Amino acid sequence: SQQGEEDPQALSIQEGENATMNCSYKTSINNLQWYRQNSGRGLVHLILIRSNEREKHSGRLRVTLDTSKKSSSLLITASRAADTASYFCATDAGYGNKLVFGAGTILRVKS
Amino acid sequence: EAGVAQSPRYKIIEKRQSVAFWCNPISGHATLYWYQQILGQGPKLLIQFQNNGVVDDSQLPKDRFSAERLKGVDSTLKIQPAKLEDSAVYLCASSSLRTGTYGYTFGSGTRLTVV
Repeated sequence: SQQGEEDPQALSIQEGENATMNCSYKTSINNLQWYRQNSGRGLVHLILIRSNEREKHSGRLRVTLDTSKKSSSLLITASRAADTASYFCATDAGYGNKLVFGAGTILRVKS
Repeated sequence: EAGVAQSPRYKIIEKRQSVAFWCNPISGHATLYWYQQILGQGPKLLIQFQNNGVVDDSQLPKDRFSAERLKGVDSTLKIQPAKLEDSAVYLCASSSLRTGTYGYTFGSGTRLTVV
């Protein structure tokens, strides 16, 4: 079963614009992680936010976490064509460090 | 450090045939995972190993799928016999006890097509 649900399913923006993706989940978590997957490739870890954190930054990435609403958002600022990929949120409920993924958001950045 | 290695990169087989995938995790990572990713979906956990012991195989179709992790290092995932619905990318990942900081490292995956 999938824990996280991403929204929107697909997003198309112009280079330089910001991209926001949302993730909702169902159960309590230990941490939430975001991954990127380029077509036909493996997943690349982007950022991890713990349940006691509300916001985290890494370069052009900003992640927020609202445990009361069981939701998270990933913001990519000043997007580039190279950001075109699928983005997945994944939750770690702390039971043996098992990651449960959502269905992902397909991001297309047009140059 | 070297990443998670997987082979083969691609595999095409006929239904009812058998197939095996291999994974070599990052050195020192005690936990190893096999995920199945069907086209257009997120990865789904098949099995999780801690060293050479199984932690979670609740979503592994045990009538046809098997996995082992000898000596707590390399792992193989086998499908026998394969069905059309097994067509997917099979991803291997590994993590250490410090996953609370660094996340999981995934291999490039094996793309399986069952015809």
